[in-house]
Amino acid sequence: GAVVSQHPSWVICKSGTSVKIECRSLDFQATTMFWYRQFPKQSLMLMATSNEGSKATYEQGVEKDKFLINHASLTLSTLTVTSAHPEDSSFYICSARPFSGRGGEQFFGPGTRLTVL
Amino acid sequence: DAKTTQPPSMDCAEGRAANLPCNHSTISGNEYVYWYRQIHSQGPQYIIHGLKNNETNEMASLIITEDRKSSTLILPHATLRDTAVYYCIVRVAFGNEKLTFGTGTRLTIIP
Repeated sequence: GAVVSQHPSWVICKSGTSVKIECRSLDFQATTMFWYRQFPKQSLMLMATSNEGSKATYEQGVEKDKFLINHASLTLSTLTVTSAHPEDSSFYICSARPFSGRGGEQFFGPGTRLTVL
Repeated sequence: DAKTTQPPSMDCAEGRAANLPCNHSTISGNEYVYWYRQIHSQGPQYIIHGLKNNETNEMASLIITEDRKSSTLILPHATLRDTAVYYCIVRVAFGNEKLTFGTGTRLTIIP
C-alpha cells in the first residue's frame, strides 16, 4: 500500500516549452501533496504544498507563475513548468500524505527527471 | 521544525548492523523523529518514525534517547541494497506537515 506514481519518469524538452508532470496516489486518498526539486548532489528542496480544491502554497523564492500546480482530485496533482529554461533542469519529486494520516508520514513518487535543452 | 545533525557519510560491512546517529538537541515535545532514505535517482522512502519510545518495523529499529536529543536508526542486517542517503527529520506530526530535508548520511554497504 501507499504507492505514489509520477509520469513521465523523464522528459527532455526545448527551451521555452512547457512540461506537465503528474503525481498520483494509487491506493489512498491524499488531501495534501508536496512538490520537491533536487539538483545533482544536493538535498531535496520543497517547492510547494498542494491541497485538494485550493490554491497551492509556494515556498519562498519559488515562482508560482512559472511552476503551476493543480490538485483537482484526492489522487492527482500536476506540476507544470512553464517556459522551461536549462536552469529548470532538475529531478522533480512529489509526495502525498494519506487522508487517514496514520502518523503524518509522506510517501514519495519515483521522481521525474527534466532536462531542458 | 528542529534542526538535525548527521554525519555526512558512513560505511558498513554487508551483513552487519548499520547504526546511523542523529542529533536533534532542540527538538520540541510535540515533534516526532522521522527517517527516510533515498537510493540514487529514486524518490525518498519512508522508513520509520517515533516520538519517545523505541520503535521497530520490518525495515529498521529506531532508538530515541530518554532526553530525546538524539536518536539512532538501526538496520539490523545491512545488504548492498541499503546503500543510500539516510535523512533524519524532526517535525510535528500534524499541523505543520512540511518535511525539511538536510544533507543526510550517505551510507555505503561494503561487500
